[in-house]
Amino acid sequence: ELKVEQNPLFLSMQEGKNYTIYCNYSTTSDRLYWYRQDPGKSLESLFVLLSNGAVKQEGRLMASLDTKARLSTLHITAAVHDLSATYFCAVDISGGSNYKLTFGKGTLLTVNP
Amino acid sequence: ETGVTQTPRHLVMGMTNKKSLKCEQHLGHNAMYWYKQSAKKPLELMFVYNFKEQTENNSVPSRFSPECPNSSHLFLHLHTLQPEDSALYLCASSQTGSYNEQFFGPGTRLTVL
Repeated sequence: ELKVEQNPLFLSMQEGKNYTIYCNYSTTSDRLYWYRQDPGKSLESLFVLLSNGAVKQEGRLMASLDTKARLSTLHITAAVHDLSATYFCAVDISGGSNYKLTFGKGTLLTVNP
Repeated sequence: ETGVTQTPRHLVMGMTNKKSLKCEQHLGHNAMYWYKQSAKKPLELMFVYNFKEQTENNSVPSRFSPECPNSSHLFLHLHTLQPEDSALYLCASSQTGSYNEQFFGPGTRLTVL
């Protein structure tokens, strides 16, 4: 059974600081997704990582994938309050054939002024 | 309407009621999904439909009955639910042959009394 573990589950940080959220998974996969969820809202797709060594950046967020280590990271640079949300990683072990994603529990990020 | 829409946004029902949740996607996708999001639990995949055919039933109790009349519409029929079924129910869609990037609707907040 595929397990997807995120840490930390709760992260409180000051504006302007850097931090990294980690996503480990237990079975070989080369497809990993990051989503953001604001309170009371739906999930918004942030990044799609499709190969070993993939790195994608959008604004203050950068995501990377190491399929050999079964690890993805979401790095936050110079955090701002608007980044406060819950961040989920999700893994597809089917090779894209049955569209089944397994999600981590999410990391609740709070950025304080 | 754009993206993925869901109705109703909020639903309160008794354990003996029958109700239905509706999802519509305006993205031209051909795969649709139902997820359940409970407090303190990872997002759980319930059902997957690909070209109107159900390809995944993640051991969901029979009191939840999905229906997919076409690639744009997805329903979740509810009957004799339990209080523990109270959750946010999210619909998503994706395109076959793409990176299975799933786009989510706003969700239906369900409360079972």
